[in-house]
Amino acid sequence: DAGVTQSPTHLIKTRGQQVTLRCSPKSGHDTVSWYQQALGQGPQFIFQYYEEEERQRGNFPDRFSGHQFPNYSSELNVNALLLGDSALYLCASSLVGAMLDPNYGYTFGSGTRLTVV
Amino acid sequence: DQQVKQNSPSLSVQEGRISILNCDYTNSMFDYFLWYKKYPAEGPTFLISISSIKDKNEDGRFTVFLNKSAKHLSLHIVPSQPGDSAVYFCASEKGGSNYKLTFGKGTLLTVNP
Repeated sequence: DAGVTQSPTHLIKTRGQQVTLRCSPKSGHDTVSWYQQALGQGPQFIFQYYEEEERQRGNFPDRFSGHQFPNYSSELNVNALLLGDSALYLCASSLVGAMLDPNYGYTFGSGTRLTVV
Repeated sequence: DQQVKQNSPSLSVQEGRISILNCDYTNSMFDYFLWYKKYPAEGPTFLISISSIKDKNEDGRFTVFLNKSAKHLSLHIVPSQPGDSAVYFCASEKGGSNYKLTFGKGTLLTVNP
């Protein structure tokens, strides 16, 4: 059973460009969350999607937007890229209400390493 | 304002000894605390968790202790193995509703053979 898959694994973009990152959740999961992990920092919550709606949002500007599709997969879009957006972007899937279940709680993908030059 | 703090960026221990990783938090509304392990080029993997109504949870070599009055938790690994070498993140969550996790900055554990 495939876990959480993210694509691409690495990406280099120029300042001002736009980027789309993709995430396929683990089988049986219905919720997708996105995190940004800057170098030397812990992951920071961007937003969470459930039932194709943004359920909760962290302290990120509107340049960060997302989408969830009927098959539960998700995209993260970042517009007008800044150098400071360079980071590892992690997608995590889960089953709603099953935070601590080892099978249905948060499962992270390996991330997309975004470099903005 | 960092609500979850891991004040030790790194820790080095000998194989077979105990590893103790510490985490402090400031938000008394946190209900659940989780530890994740992260290897390079991989995403964080869930290790062990504890609810705020408990003070200890054990799973094999891993034990998490929670001191609510001190807003402090710790992860004990006994005995430590070289394969345990990784970055360990402490994370907290409010309400158990599967919403956002708040992470510390992580502690790099190195277990020397």
